[in-house]
Amino acid sequence: KAGVTQTPRYLIKTRGQQVTLSCSPISGHRSVSWYQQTPGQGLQFLFEYFSETQRNKGNFPGRFSGRQFSNSRSEMNVSTLELGDSALYLCASSQRGGNNEQFFGPGTRLTVL
Amino acid sequence: QKEVEQNSGPLSVPEGAIASLNCTYSDRGSQSFFWYRQYSGKSPELIMSIYSNGDKEDGRFTAQLNKASQYVSLLIRDSQPSDSATYLCAVNQSNDYKLSFGAGTTVTVRA
Repeated sequence: KAGVTQTPRYLIKTRGQQVTLSCSPISGHRSVSWYQQTPGQGLQFLFEYFSETQRNKGNFPGRFSGRQFSNSRSEMNVSTLELGDSALYLCASSQRGGNNEQFFGPGTRLTVL
Repeated sequence: QKEVEQNSGPLSVPEGAIASLNCTYSDRGSQSFFWYRQYSGKSPELIMSIYSNGDKEDGRFTAQLNKASQYVSLLIRDSQPSDSATYLCAVNQSNDYKLSFGAGTTVTVRA
């Protein structure tokens, strides 16, 4: 069974731009979670989607948004990029979320200049 | 108080020894607990999940959970150089559809 895929793997943007990241979960998984990983803050939860509904959101500004499609694929968007948004963005898929195991994709490395 | 705390590293152990990693969590209602391994430049990889008090063994890895003490640990037996990585403790708190992660413990296995 194929794992979680994320595109693109690397991105370089400048301040003020916006970016869209994509995640395809493991086949049959309906929950997709997004995390931001930085050396200073570690892994921080952004949001979780299940059946196209956002069930939980972390403490990030409204510039961070996401959505999930009917095929469980998910996208996250960051608008008006700031230097501090430079990070590894990780997507994790799970059968139903909650107590279920989550499996991470390879991540998208975003650099904001 | 942080939601999930791990013992500070780095942890250096000789090859063949036991590496012991500890994690405490603040939410007494937490129901599921996970250990991830993350190699430098890679994404986290799930190595153990545990839901009930006691021990759970998988190969050279043993996870231990004590909900009364709000404590979960990971033992790596017969440590190998390939075990050198950062180990992340993650907790699902009261089924709120997110994982809270500790800062991680970096383990180095000396050949």
